[in-house]
Amino acid sequence: KQEVTQIPAALSVPEGENLVLNCSFTDSAIYNLQWFRQDPGKGLTSLLLIQSSQREQTSGRLNASLDKSSGRSTLYIAASQPGDSATYLCAVKGGGTSYGKLTFGQGTILTVHP
Amino acid sequence: NAGVTQTPKFQVLKTGQSMTLQCAQDMNHNSMYWYRQDPGMGLRLIYYSASEGTTDKGEVPNGYNVSRLNKREFSLRLESAAPSQTSVYFCASSESGWGYGYTFGSGTRLTVV
Repeated sequence: KQEVTQIPAALSVPEGENLVLNCSFTDSAIYNLQWFRQDPGKGLTSLLLIQSSQREQTSGRLNASLDKSSGRSTLYIAASQPGDSATYLCAVKGGGTSYGKLTFGQGTILTVHP
Repeated sequence: NAGVTQTPKFQVLKTGQSMTLQCAQDMNHNSMYWYRQDPGMGLRLIYYSASEGTTDKGEVPNGYNVSRLNKREFSLRLESAAPSQTSVYFCASSESGWGYGYTFGSGTRLTVV
């Protein structure tokens, strides 16, 4: 059974810092990995989608990397801003018996203070 | 472009009552999903529909039923609500195939008293 772990569970940083959120998964038979952002009481907003054949994806100040063989992904946020405060979720789309289904990590709660 | 629309946004039920959560997507996606989100448990798959006319159980299907009404709509029904079903419910959709990501709705916050 696929398991996804996110470290740290919570992170508090001053504005302007560069930061890294970590995601690990136990079964490397994935099709892709998706990073989401969730604001309190809201739905999930997709940030980046990395295919299993890719090493990284970039969108603005966000960069996500994927090392499928080691079961790891990182989300790098450059020059953090208070508006980046949210919960960040990592999810893998499985192959094999988990075909097509997303398995989520527990999330990292990010607080960026002015 | 609405994406995935869920109704209602909030609902309070008494134990034993029934209700249906509605979900509709306008992206012509083949696959649709229902998740629940609970503190400390993360998001867990309840049911999914890989294509119109098919439905399958996910990780936590007990106490729920689903209907894929057509390609656009996928509903989740609680026949006899229990306090353990208090949660936030999310509907999602994706195109078929391994390379596509998911699009989520804004959620339904359900409280069973």
